[in-house]
Amino acid sequence: EVQLVESGGGLIQPGGSLSLSCAASGFIITDNYISWVRQAPGKGLEWVSVVYPSGSTYYADSVKGRFTISRDNSKNTLYLQMNTLRAEDTAMYYCARAMGLTAAFDIWGQGTLVTVSS
Amino acid sequence: DVHMTQSPSTLSASVGDRVTITCRASQSITSRLAWYRQKPGKAPQLLIHDASSLESGVPLRFRGSGSGTEFTLTISSLQPDDFATYFCQQYRTYPYTFGQGTKLEIK
Repeated sequence: EVQLVESGGGLIQPGGSLSLSCAASGFIITDNYISWVRQAPGKGLEWVSVVYPSGSTYYADSVKGRFTISRDNSKNTLYLQMNTLRAEDTAMYYCARAMGLTAAFDIWGQGTLVTVSS
Repeated sequence: DVHMTQSPSTLSASVGDRVTITCRASQSITSRLAWYRQKPGKAPQLLIHDASSLESGVPLRFRGSGSGTEFTLTISSLQPDDFATYFCQQYRTYPYTFGQGTKLEIK
């Protein structure tokens, strides 16, 4: 079965760090464009970051310099290292697959909740 | 950034109704537009890609149209499963951006 499974969310204090994981099955992550998309409670969707098959990475301005996307090809797993967390980073974080450079997200994980609060 | 504006924000309808949701882009995105349905507590589900292509397994009652800056999603005969929130998304250029969502409620 083709699926993505996120983990690593939790409660973290402002200024802290957290690492999220996204394990893929049924397909190879290096053949696809994998993004992180977040959704604040009761709000809309915000694209956060992407890693290309080539390994190139891009970020939303709101997280640039604080978040780092990476992958472990041997584990077929994507990561999001989040540093200097702020209250406005509180959200459900989804990983999502796009099969091309300009393609929609056809597979989504179930999400992992990050809460930044003191 | 490309700004996506959806309307209406909320829509009340009954089972069997035909409804239309509109999405406008602040600049041309050609046909690089997707529609998603999100049920409470769940991840978004892809319905339409490339503005008018039905994703595999999605019922035929969903239809997308448009190009450039104006797009619509039409659901021809609402089913109970369709009462959810719908989002449009452009993937013409980064940062990918989403509309604010349309909540489809039971009248």
